Amino acid sequence: TQLLEQSPQFLSIQEGENLTVYCNSSSVFSSLQWYRQEPGEGPVLLVTVVTGGEVKKLKRLTFQFGDARKDSSLHITAAQPGDTGLYLCAGGIPSSGSARQLTFGSGTQLTVLP
Amino acid sequence: KAGVTQTPRYLIKTRGQQVTLSCSPISGHRSVSWYQQTPGQGLQFLFEYFSETQRNKGNFPGRFSGRQFSNSRSEMNVSTLELGDSALYLCASSFMGQDTEAFFGQGTRLTVV
Repeated sequence: TQLLEQSPQFLSIQEGENLTVYCNSSSVFSSLQWYRQEPGEGPVLLVTVVTGGEVKKLKRLTFQFGDARKDSSLHITAAQPGDTGLYLCAGGIPSSGSARQLTFGSGTQLTVLP
Repeated sequence: KAGVTQTPRYLIKTRGQQVTLSCSPISGHRSVSWYQQTPGQGLQFLFEYFSETQRNKGNFPGRFSGRQFSNSRSEMNVSTLELGDSALYLCASSFMGQDTEAFFGQGTRLTVV
């Protein structure tokens, strides 16, 4: 069972267009993180959202955490070729261990064409 | 502040061999987590160590093991390598635990032939 569903899986757009990536779950998360990963490299943390309904902006990127803390979205305005990469959401879930386990969505591969 | 360092970056091994990967976390971080990333399965959690103790373990066979040292550096070991173990192995460090902000290293690309 996939705990975090990301959509779309692939997205190819022209430079200057806007886009939204979604991250959905039936589980409640204490926090949710968004990462961007380039080929052969590790994921780079973009933002952490903690409070239900929270909105954070990072230049042209807007991140929103759902009121119920079960879903999140990433909106990119006026996409540029440098935004190309694999976008991953990750949330902490209860586990059998002594601390919450971070689980990742399957990712959205974004390609921005010049 | 130095980031997370993983060594080696690339590794080629033969089926049946064993391999040890190393991760040095960000200074002051006590939690180190390991992930396996493949095109088909995405990022899958292997295990987390905190203050030299394994705190969480993912659904991987016993061939995958790890440990953490008193300086928070961590190693993971895979024994009796299989072709399906070919993957990018990622280490992430965080101050208190996985669901606090986690910072990843560049990964070790393991190829099993």
